[in-house]
Amino acid sequence: AQSVTQPDIHITVSEGASLELRCNYSYGATPYLFWYVQSPGQGLQLLLKYFSGDTLVQGIKGFEAEFKRSQSSFNLRKPSVHWSDAAEYFCAVGGAGGSYIPTFGRGTSLIVHP
Amino acid sequence: DTAVSQTPKYLVTQMGNDKSIKCEQNLGHDTMYWYKQDSKKFLKIMFSYNNKELIINETVPNRFSPKSPDKAHLNLHINSLELGDSAVYFCASSPVQDLSTEAFFGQGTRLTVV
Repeated sequence: AQSVTQPDIHITVSEGASLELRCNYSYGATPYLFWYVQSPGQGLQLLLKYFSGDTLVQGIKGFEAEFKRSQSSFNLRKPSVHWSDAAEYFCAVGGAGGSYIPTFGRGTSLIVHP
Repeated sequence: DTAVSQTPKYLVTQMGNDKSIKCEQNLGHDTMYWYKQDSKKFLKIMFSYNNKELIINETVPNRFSPKSPDKAHLNLHINSLELGDSAVYFCASSPVQDLSTEAFFGQGTRLTVV
């Protein structure tokens, strides 16, 4: 069965600081990996996704994520956080070898201090 | 134009009532979904429809009945509402039944059962 672990429930950073949100997954085949962002009162928006190829993936809003198969990780990074990045971030895993419906992690709440 | 729209945005109702949540997508997508997000932010798939056909039904009580009159609409009807049904319900759509495509989410419907 596929699963996703986001070990940090909350992360607090200062505006302008760098950010890394952790995501570990469990999947029996080659995973499809996603990061979504949920702003307050909004639905989820896709930030980036990884299917194959270059393990460093660029997304929208200046975010990137790196797929590390040896560590079963897909951490999300941003070099300089803006106050508007405060939101809930969800990592998700799925793949053609199993259910095509992605499994979501519990989410990490990002708080940005001015 | 909103891509995936849900109504209502908020719904407060008493236990035992029957209620419906409507979802419409104007993206021309073939696949639509209902997700439930509980108070701990866990996001779980409930149903998936592809071209009006039910594809996924994830251990959801029979009190929940999705209806897809056409591929642009996927409504969720809930009978005999219980306290535990309180959650945020998200509708989503994707072009095809394939993880390689992005899912677009509605803003969510916050259901509160009192």
